[in-house]
Amino acid sequence: AQSVTQPDIHITVSEGASLELRCNYSYGATPYLFWYVQSPGQGLQLLLKYFSGDTLVQGIKGFEAEFKRSQSSFNLRKPSVHWSDAAEYFCARGGADGLTFGKGTHLIIQP
Amino acid sequence: GAVVSQHPSWVICKSGTSVKIECRSLDFQATTMFWYRQFPKQSLMLMATSNEGSKATYEQGVEKDKFLINHASLTLSTLTVTSAHPEDSSFYICSAREVAGVTYEQYFGPGTRLTVT
Repeated sequence: AQSVTQPDIHITVSEGASLELRCNYSYGATPYLFWYVQSPGQGLQLLLKYFSGDTLVQGIKGFEAEFKRSQSSFNLRKPSVHWSDAAEYFCARGGADGLTFGKGTHLIIQP
Repeated sequence: GAVVSQHPSWVICKSGTSVKIECRSLDFQATTMFWYRQFPKQSLMLMATSNEGSKATYEQGVEKDKFLINHASLTLSTLTVTSAHPEDSSFYICSAREVAGVTYEQYFGPGTRLTVT
């Protein structure tokens, strides 16, 4: 079965610092990969997605992610975080049966 | 485009009653809709997949007689929590996949907070 691993449950970053959130997926055919952000009590907002082609994907709010097949990874990055980026981030893999989510990474922004 | 709505956004009900949650795709047709459940500080767990005009497929451990799903049209799916109990209190999120979608992208609703007293 497909699986998605987000190794970091919590990450604390200072405002203005760079950010990288890790995501690993189980092996398989070309994966359809997504990053979502969720603010407390809210639904999910799509940040970016990878289906094929260029392995560096640009998303909204200044986020980007890089697909690395050799490492089975799809890490999310942002060069300079803002306090408003504090939220829960979910990596997900798409398939015919729906999305498989990682457990999420809670991002805390320090002033 | 690709907007999914849910109604209600929050609901409080008494134990033993039933609650219906609606999920609508507003500007596209969705052959497949998904229902997820999310407990506080946890990830989303897929409950069931519904395809328009056919029976829903439930994930292991989800009681289909308790969580009734109906996908009557290409823009509407409903989840009814029957005989709700406090342990059913949770955040329920639906998502929809376009008819022509081939990349498994789903569009999510804003969620419904259910509290059973």
